[in-house]
Amino acid sequence: SQQGEEDPQALSIQEGENATMNCSYKTSINNLQWYRQNSGRGLVHLILIRSNEREKHSGRLRVTLDTSKKSSSLLITASRAADTASYFCATDANYGQNFVFGPGTRLSVLP
Amino acid sequence: NAGVTQTPKFRVLKTGQSMTLLCAQDMNHEYMYWYRQDPGMGLRLIHYSVGEGTTAKGEVPDGYNVSRLKKQNFLLGLESAAPSQTSVYFCASRTSGGFGGELFFGEGSRLTVL
Repeated sequence: SQQGEEDPQALSIQEGENATMNCSYKTSINNLQWYRQNSGRGLVHLILIRSNEREKHSGRLRVTLDTSKKSSSLLITASRAADTASYFCATDANYGQNFVFGPGTRLSVLP
Repeated sequence: NAGVTQTPKFRVLKTGQSMTLLCAQDMNHEYMYWYRQDPGMGLRLIHYSVGEGTTAKGEVPDGYNVSRLKKQNFLLGLESAAPSQTSVYFCASRTSGGFGGELFFGEGSRLTVL
């Protein structure tokens, strides 16, 4: 069974708007990561947040983590057409040896 | 910097044929992974390796075998391909130590089994 589940499955916004994606997971974690995948390409790491952190920023990205609710959110501010991609959350598993990915959120940013 | 390189990028097989996907990384990473990606399913772990000469099963290992004879290479084999193995396969690697860490992915290998 998958550990992470992203919500919504698909999101369409206008350029300049903010995009928020959510991830829920089932068991305790040590860290949670977000990845981006452009169409037909491999995944690219965006940001990692540890279980003892509540919020983390990287450029236009803001990630929050609520371990009591077993959920995380990824906020992309001032979105651009180039942000169009699928976004995945991944949680560590098996004592950090591997990772479990959710099904992803497809983001479309319209110019 | 090549990073993680997968070969081949595309392959069409007939049911029952065998093939090997090669993953090579030049970052001296200890951990390597093979995932498959199917529509609406995200990435599912097939097998992984925590070091040269070691392999372990992931979530969906049936029908696949792997080998890690050299630290930089991780091979994924299909002994008798089935249509259910039609998918996009991704290799990833990372450094060891701690609980998790950034994964570096290849560009994927698209396999179609007829």
